[in-house]
Amino acid sequence: DIQMTQSPSSLSASVGDRVTITCRASQSISSYLNWYQQKPGKAPKLLIYAASSLQSGVPSRFSGSGSGTDFTLTVNSLQPEDFATYFCQQSYSTPRTFGQGTKVEIK
Amino acid sequence: QVQLQESGPGLVKPSETLSLTCTVSGGSISNFYWSWIRQPPGKGLEWIGYIFYSGSTNYNPSLKSRVTISVDTSKNQFSLKLSSVTAADTAVYYCARRGWLGNYYYMDVWGKGTTVTVSS
Repeated sequence: DIQMTQSPSSLSASVGDRVTITCRASQSISSYLNWYQQKPGKAPKLLIYAASSLQSGVPSRFSGSGSGTDFTLTVNSLQPEDFATYFCQQSYSTPRTFGQGTKVEIK
Repeated sequence: QVQLQESGPGLVKPSETLSLTCTVSGGSISNFYWSWIRQPPGKGLEWIGYIFYSGSTNYNPSLKSRVTISVDTSKNQFSLKLSSVTAADTAVYYCARRGWLGNYYYMDVWGKGTTVTVSS
């Protein structure tokens, strides 16, 4: 199985901040990397697919980059509704695997 | 737009079989892959497996001996069965649609999730 490791596990930020979350794969996965946002009690929501493609309807302040083993999710100008947990997920091979999550909290 | 809804018992006894159904509305189940994912309380996401509308499946090896995913195209539904459950199977279970762009796959539509507790 491909292991996905996110860092940090949690962070505190203020509205308007720029936030960066990192995801590392245990082997190269090219650009087969997706990012999801999950709010408490809700299902995950797809934000980014293919490492850098923005899902329809997702605000442009979200962006993704990277390839191979190292990826980042950036949120420019954090908004109140962005406080949530973010997961990366590889779609290079099965079983599909997720990172452990990064919780973005209000400072 | 396409919506997914999980249904099934919220409480299952240890050693019994967990059975859930996902109903697809607002679109056809055809031509897509459909997934099950679970999330234990306070933990991360675990992919259980997926099924193509034609019936072909792919399961997580960690659960493969206990999992069966099936599809009923006439009802626009797909289902999950997990046998010999223990407390470790207590989780929120989600169904999701696998979207794609070329060779890139992602879960773009999710159900709201249903909580299943394993307890006697």
